[in-house]
Amino acid sequence: EVQLLESGGGLVQPGGSLRLSCAASGLTLSKYAMIWVRQAPGKGLEWVSSVTGSGDNTYYADSVKGRFAVFRDNSKNTLFLQMNSLGLEDTALYYCAKGRLGVVGGDDWFAPWGQGTLVTVSS
Amino acid sequence: QSVLTQPPSVSEAPRQRVTISCSGGSSNIGNNAVNWYQQLPGKAPKLLIYFDDLLSSGVSDRFSGSKSGTSASLAISGLQSEDEADYYCATWDDSLNGVVFGGGTKLTVL
Repeated sequence: EVQLLESGGGLVQPGGSLRLSCAASGLTLSKYAMIWVRQAPGKGLEWVSSVTGSGDNTYYADSVKGRFAVFRDNSKNTLFLQMNSLGLEDTALYYCAKGRLGVVGGDDWFAPWGQGTLVTVSS
Repeated sequence: QSVLTQPPSVSEAPRQRVTISCSGGSSNIGNNAVNWYQQLPGKAPKLLIYFDDLLSSGVSDRFSGSKSGTSASLAISGLQSEDEADYYCATWDDSLNGVVFGGGTKLTVL
């Protein structure tokens, strides 16, 4: 069974940094593109970032571009999201999810999803 | 404001049928496959429908998807109380070069 487990969330002050992890089991992570999606309290889903299976290509929402970086350690079957210059608007539950293929694009869907890790930005 | 437009809420009685719409444009729904996700209260999203109208493994055939032009729909027949959830459409946007989600629709089974 494929499982994804996020970790690394917590309370951080505005302007601070945090690194999220997404550990995968039951699959070879390098074969699949992965995404990060966040959900602010009481709000809908917002795509944050995507990365190809190789890690060579990354994609970001405008709201996080230049502040967040997605990368992966396929040898450890783990996906990461480095978040810098955090603002109040980044407070959310962050999910990772597995893509269908190793590439990113219009014929992709995402399953399964992890249970999420909560990031709270507050002074 | 989301790129894909969904009604914020829908409600219907048990055993009835409800549809949830998702409206987009030529750079997203009009040119890419639409997927639907169900999020039960307090849970992570779960894939329901992929490639516009294909049922994800293990999902009840009471759920169905369709697409026409730049709009897509999710239909749920034989409504049950356990269908109460938030439903999101999603697809790739060629102009934004990223995934776009609808704002989500909260389904209430009366």
